[in-house]
Amino acid sequence: ETGVTQSPTHLIKTRGQQVTLRCSSQSGHNTVSWYQQALGQGPQFIFQYYREEENGRGNFPPRFSGLQFPNYSSELNVNALELDDSALYLCASSTASGRVFYNEQFFGPGTRLTVL
Amino acid sequence: GIQVEQSPPDLILQEGANSTLRCNFSDSVNNLQWFHQNPWGQLINLFYIPSGTKQNGRLSATTVATERYSLLYISSSQTTDSGVYFCAVAGFGNEKLTFGTGTRLTIIP
Repeated sequence: ETGVTQSPTHLIKTRGQQVTLRCSSQSGHNTVSWYQQALGQGPQFIFQYYREEENGRGNFPPRFSGLQFPNYSSELNVNALELDDSALYLCASSTASGRVFYNEQFFGPGTRLTVL
Repeated sequence: GIQVEQSPPDLILQEGANSTLRCNFSDSVNNLQWFHQNPWGQLINLFYIPSGTKQNGRLSATTVATERYSLLYISSSQTTDSGVYFCAVAGFGNEKLTFGTGTRLTIIP
């Protein structure tokens, strides 16, 4: 069984640039959630994707967007990067059936983004 | 939204000691998970425990859903247990996990 994978591991961008982070869900999982973890804090929910559609969003501006592909992998895109976007970005996968979304979530190793 | 509080914020123990970490939450939950975050940032699943008691080796957890708290017990601590422990919950009809601020555990040899 393959776990959740994320790429790249580290990324350095400058303010105003755009970035794309990638996530492959664990085998058998159909739902992907993205979280942002600033230094010294707990992860904060960005959004969740199920059946290639956004299924819930946290308190993040529209410049944070995402995609889910038919193979359940996902991308997180951030436009017009700001210094405060520097953080660890974590992807989690889980299995949803019907409208049940509260099953156990499994996290990838994260992408550490630095914005200069 | 649901609030999650963890205590204590920091804990320093000698190797071999036992510890209890607490997680309080403000509303009914459908999902409660305990994680260990290693120094590289990886969140490692410890328990999925919206209610009841589970044990896995030296670790055990109990969630009393009616009183809105969960406890994580670590026995015979080892240096590899060091790191940050997070509790995260999801409320009814809610797809997101809300994390607490974590407990930083340091085990001294």
